[in-house]
Amino acid sequence: GNSVTQMEGPVTLSEEAFLTINCTYTATGYPSLFWYVQYPGEGLQLLLKATKADDKGSNKGFEATYRKETTSFHLEKGSVQVSDSAVYFCALSNGSGNTGKLIFGQGTTLQVKP
Amino acid sequence: DGGITQSPKYLFRKEGQNVTLSCEQNLNHDAMYWYRQDPGQGLRLIYYSQIVNDFQKGDIAEGYSVSREKKESFPLTVTSAQKNPTAFYLCASSIDVARETQYFGPGTRLLVL
Repeated sequence: GNSVTQMEGPVTLSEEAFLTINCTYTATGYPSLFWYVQYPGEGLQLLLKATKADDKGSNKGFEATYRKETTSFHLEKGSVQVSDSAVYFCALSNGSGNTGKLIFGQGTTLQVKP
Repeated sequence: DGGITQSPKYLFRKEGQNVTLSCEQNLNHDAMYWYRQDPGQGLRLIYYSQIVNDFQKGDIAEGYSVSREKKESFPLTVTSAQKNPTAFYLCASSIDVARETQYFGPGTRLLVL
């Protein structure tokens, strides 16, 4: 079945460092890919998405490119801030059948120190 | 402002008690979802509804029940049959199941006394 694997955290960086959070997936069909962010005690917020191969999603300085050949959707940011500290979830859509179901990775905690 | 509201923020359940978590949206979305989040884990789908008066089980529906009598409301009941209910519960909605982007509420944390 479809699945998402994220790099284990926590990831601890200093302010202004470069961020990469790895995400790989297994899927049949042509799913869409998503990154969501969760701040402490809150729900999830959509960060960015890509709907087909080679698409790049971007928002608030974060980017991710849908790589079908490597089945990856790694999240990157050139210069992190303390306010980026949160849990980041990679997810994919079901891709086949109209259920609207999203499959989530286990989440990666990012801690940014001043 | 349009959005999804969940209440209460914290909920305490006694042994053998059923409790109901509220989820309301004013986004005019057809599809709604309930997820459970445990510490250090991703989200797992409990139930989802594609349209009013219709809902389907997700991956972990045992011990839970839902209703969808109104488009804007999708309450989740955690029954006494759910033996490990302590978790963070998240409600989400999307325009419809074909539009895959889901928007989430702030969550309800359920604790067992």
